[in-house]
Amino acid sequence: QVTLRESGPALVKPTQTLTLTCTFSGFSLSTSGMCVSWIRQPPGKALEWLARIDWDDDTYYSTSLKTRLTISKDTSKNQVVLTMTNMDPVDTATYYCARSTTTVTPLDYWGQGTPVTVSS
Amino acid sequence: QSVLTQPPSVSGAPGQRVTISCTGSSSNIGAGYDVHWYQQLPGTAPKLLIYDNSNRPSGVPDRFSGSKSGTSASLAITGLQAEDEADYYCQSYDSSLSGSPVFGGGTKLTVL
Repeated sequence: QVTLRESGPALVKPTQTLTLTCTFSGFSLSTSGMCVSWIRQPPGKALEWLARIDWDDDTYYSTSLKTRLTISKDTSKNQVVLTMTNMDPVDTATYYCARSTTTVTPLDYWGQGTPVTVSS
Repeated sequence: QSVLTQPPSVSGAPGQRVTISCTGSSSNIGAGYDVHWYQQLPGTAPKLLIYDNSNRPSGVPDRFSGSKSGTSASLAITGLQAEDEADYYCQSYDSSLSGSPVFGGGTKLTVL
């Protein structure tokens, strides 16, 4: 059974760095083809893909946010970590992690999401 | 502004058929990338509904179907039920964004 769960702070201040962790089970990120993405959704708005890390450590970022994002993995802990620097109130959103089994296959399993508010 | 364009809302009475369009361009849907659809029930995470344009994951009723043609795709829901009221998102990939996933703006389905 594949599960993913996001964790991190619910509240961050402007200019701070956000660190989110995705802890998963039921698959291994060392398996060829496996990928984990981060996606966010501001309140009442659409989904926005942020970043992806692949089984072979390749990383991909949203072109509009790439200077602020870093994605990494700890295969032994079954975790993927996303950091986003210089947080702003417009970054207030629910952040999801999701799995795909190749680079162009759908996001077939999603975490429940973790809400993040950026406010002083 | 989302890369893929969806109508903000659609509605239908129970038992009716509704369709949701997803319009892209030559750098995404028109480039041959597959389209996936997700259903997001209120207060929950998105769930994969249709993959690779027209395939249903196990457990998804056959009332849901998808199609793709040219630079557009569509999701059809027949025999509309109250439990179908949700937000629906299309997703593809875009060659101008290094093949990154792109989403539509989402469509709110209201069951009258």
